[in-house]
Amino acid sequence: DAGITQSPRYKITETGRQVTLMCHQTWSHSYMFWYRQDLGHGLRLIYYSAAADITDKGEVPDGYVVSRSKTENFPLTLESATRSQTSVYFCATRIGTDGGNTQYFGPGTRLTVL
Amino acid sequence: QQQVKQSPQSLIVQKGGISIINCAYENTAFDYFPWYQQFPGKGPALLIAIRPDVSEKKEGRFTISFNKSAKQFSLHIMDSQPGDSATYFCAASMRQAGTALIFGKGTTLSVSS
Repeated sequence: DAGITQSPRYKITETGRQVTLMCHQTWSHSYMFWYRQDLGHGLRLIYYSAAADITDKGEVPDGYVVSRSKTENFPLTLESATRSQTSVYFCATRIGTDGGNTQYFGPGTRLTVL
Repeated sequence: QQQVKQSPQSLIVQKGGISIINCAYENTAFDYFPWYQQFPGKGPALLIAIRPDVSEKKEGRFTISFNKSAKQFSLHIMDSQPGDSATYFCAASMRQAGTALIFGKGTTLSVSS
């Protein structure tokens, strides 16, 4: 099916461990984004990518690393997880040429850091 | 610095009533204002969006009203239904590709039957 998939959907890890969240799109949208959603904060941008091998920081990038070797994949890595990174993570892509900045979101990954 | 302020935080409306959610922005460079709807356990989904060259946009029961001089925009849900119960986020950005959506903190809407 076309769209965005994220894996895993749920993850529990411990402080200090490395965790990688996966994002895959079946379109060929150039732009991909990672947001985190926290109660009371809405959604905040972590990193985004304009194309393969091009990434840039968003509002809250500290503690995260991204890569984009292929257009369809945009993994997010927490190098040493902290409790403050407990959150729901959403991947998004920019849709088409509608003249706006319409972004389509994946189903999310709920991450708990103990 | 919060660039998009959303209110109210929660809203309870009777079935058939009008739900109104308000947002205010600070950055005058913003020129794209979408509303997203999110159900529990799902990702946000685009509901409706507006550009600042129009004052109102309507799609079915959903209307965005936009006041450029006041830097405010609002979502009106007419004839609210229990199926509209969800969290709604306003957002703002510049139109060019790759710019981040700056989200409000969200409004949880409950429509009672």
